[in-house]
Amino acid sequence: EDQVTQSPEALRLQEGESSSLNCSYTVSGLRGLFWYRQDPGKGPEFLFTLYSAGEEKEKERLKATLTKKESFLHITAPKPEDSATYLCAVLDYGGSQGNLIFGKGTKLSVKP
Amino acid sequence: NAGVTQTPKFQVLKTGQSMTLQCAQDMNHNSMYWYRQDPGMGLRLIYYSASEGTTDKGEVPNGYNVSRLNKREFSLRLESAAPSQTSVYFCASNPGQGAVGANVLTFGAGSRLTVL
Repeated sequence: EDQVTQSPEALRLQEGESSSLNCSYTVSGLRGLFWYRQDPGKGPEFLFTLYSAGEEKEKERLKATLTKKESFLHITAPKPEDSATYLCAVLDYGGSQGNLIFGKGTKLSVKP
Repeated sequence: NAGVTQTPKFQVLKTGQSMTLQCAQDMNHNSMYWYRQDPGMGLRLIYYSASEGTTDKGEVPNGYNVSRLNKREFSLRLESAAPSQTSVYFCASNPGQGAVGANVLTFGAGSRLTVL
């Protein structure tokens, strides 16, 4: 059974304090790993897709990396506006078209 | 562009009542999805429509029905609401198989449903 586990559940950082969020996954064959950001009261917003181990993608203060078993979302010198819940999702080769399996998310709070 | 539009944003129902959540996308996407999001459970797929004219069950379909009205619109119906269906519902769409960004979901803002 496909599984996606995100850790920690919640993370509190001071502005400028870099850290990483983890997403570990178990799938029969990875078609893609997706990161989304969700602000309170809103729908998830797409950040990155990673397809193969060793791949990295960056956007502003965020950098996503992928290994064969997990993905990390590195946040460098975060600002309060980076506060949100970050969701990880995987697409399995054995899964139906577009059916992502989501983790429960990591709630990030960045204090000024 | 509006992207994915859901209505209503909030709804309170009594047990046994029925209602339909509406969803429309203006991105010419082929595939559309309905998810529910509950505290501590993450997003779970209810139903999806890979293309116009097709619908399939997801992880948690019991108690729900869907209609792909046309390429733009995908509705979710609760025939007899139960308190266990209290949740936030998200509609999403993606371009579909073979298209650029095939599996990247665009989500609506959500519909918060409370069943008393």
